[in-house]
Amino acid sequence: GAVVSQHPSRVICKSGTSVKIECRSLDFQATTMFWYRQFPKQSLMLMATSNEGSKATYEQGVEKDKFLINHASLTLSTLTVTSAHPEDSSFYICSAGGTSGKQETQYFGPGTRLLVL
Amino acid sequence: EDQVTQSPEALRLQEGESSSLNCSYTVSGLRGLFWYRQDPGKGPEFLFTLYSAGEEKEKERLKATLTKKESFLHITAPKPEDSATYLCAVQADQTGANNLFFGTGTRLTVIP
Repeated sequence: GAVVSQHPSRVICKSGTSVKIECRSLDFQATTMFWYRQFPKQSLMLMATSNEGSKATYEQGVEKDKFLINHASLTLSTLTVTSAHPEDSSFYICSAGGTSGKQETQYFGPGTRLLVL
Repeated sequence: EDQVTQSPEALRLQEGESSSLNCSYTVSGLRGLFWYRQDPGKGPEFLFTLYSAGEEKEKERLKATLTKKESFLHITAPKPEDSATYLCAVQADQTGANNLFFGTGTRLTVIP
């Protein structure tokens, strides 16, 4: 399967600061990338869909001014959590849309654990 | 409203004890149903995609099946390394390209 990387894998920041998370598709060009958030013992919740060269589409209840997404190239999407607060502490996972054989699927990155103090 | 329900929430099996995980779904037009494996602190790992009722996919000790209402992930003679959370996700016709809606997962523990 395709390889998707995320950086950093873990980040601890103070409340009020901004944190940027990078998501890279290493061996294929992804026109669409997705950002998810996962709280402990819960499933993945889609935050936004990121299309290369255009504005991201945010899910209901996700503040676009707080979670800034940039998809400047076919291999890189970034998520910036602005003015982070403790309730933003979570596991953030990106995925890239790809094809496994003839089938569309999503390939996920390893995730970024954010802790806001 | 689209829904994905997985059961059981948690499952403990002895090594070699076969069982099945269930994923029930209600969507307006199913484009695809996906199974993923997630280890603690890691992103999901793709396992299978199923598109139509009656379809089956196999990979090592895992076999996924699909009906019009649900999917099963059968685990035959599991080993401790099969311990993980198994996630089911659906892709519906009316959603955007590749959008997936996830269930809450089944946390599988295989005891040696």
